[in-house]
Amino acid sequence: DAKTTQPNSMESNEEEPVHLPCNHSTISGTDYIHWYRQLPSQGPEYVIHGLTSNVNNRMASLAIAEDRKSSTLILHRATLRDAAVYYCILNQAGTALIFGKGTTLSVSS
Amino acid sequence: DTAVSQTPKYLVTQMGNDKSIKCEQNLGHDTMYWYKQDSKKFLKIMFSYNNKELIINETVPNRFSPKSPDKAHLNLHINSLELGDSAVYFCASSQETGGYSPLHFGNGTRLTVT
Repeated sequence: DAKTTQPNSMESNEEEPVHLPCNHSTISGTDYIHWYRQLPSQGPEYVIHGLTSNVNNRMASLAIAEDRKSSTLILHRATLRDAAVYYCILNQAGTALIFGKGTTLSVSS
Repeated sequence: DTAVSQTPKYLVTQMGNDKSIKCEQNLGHDTMYWYKQDSKKFLKIMFSYNNKELIINETVPNRFSPKSPDKAHLNLHINSLELGDSAVYFCASSQETGGYSPLHFGNGTRLTVT
């Protein structure tokens, strides 16, 4: 079962930052925090992952709480193309990704 | 070049038939997966192979049989198709199983059983 909690849906305006929260209070020391997104009619797409430190890449930033019990995916400037379901997943070595319901992000122009 | 490719993209068939879905990855990854996404959009892991060996099998009916001829390919064969098998099936690959290795997904095969 998924070990993360995310809001069912969020809304944003184009060109504004978006902060997608994720709670994972039962995270273990070896769990990586992964974020994926799924655009309509496509397969899930890797966004970013981290273990303890905040991470940045060309798609997004990942802010991880000091106690690691929560994290936030940050899209710096939302575009219409960012409308998707975003999944926050804890990933342990030797196990497969377990997807939850995710957060459906809507972006308005 | 497509990193993870699945064929066919759409598959419509009748109950009781046997069908296969093919998956190939050109990323040089050691691990491949099959996921099923049902009509409620839940993504569920079905199988995982590492270097052609089955390592994860998540209570999938015996009618589903994955086959990995080499580490770049993981095919899914389904016998005696049932209505409940209708779903989108996604293939994925990663360098290692779990941990820090991100997964790369194909675009899915939409299976419709009538």
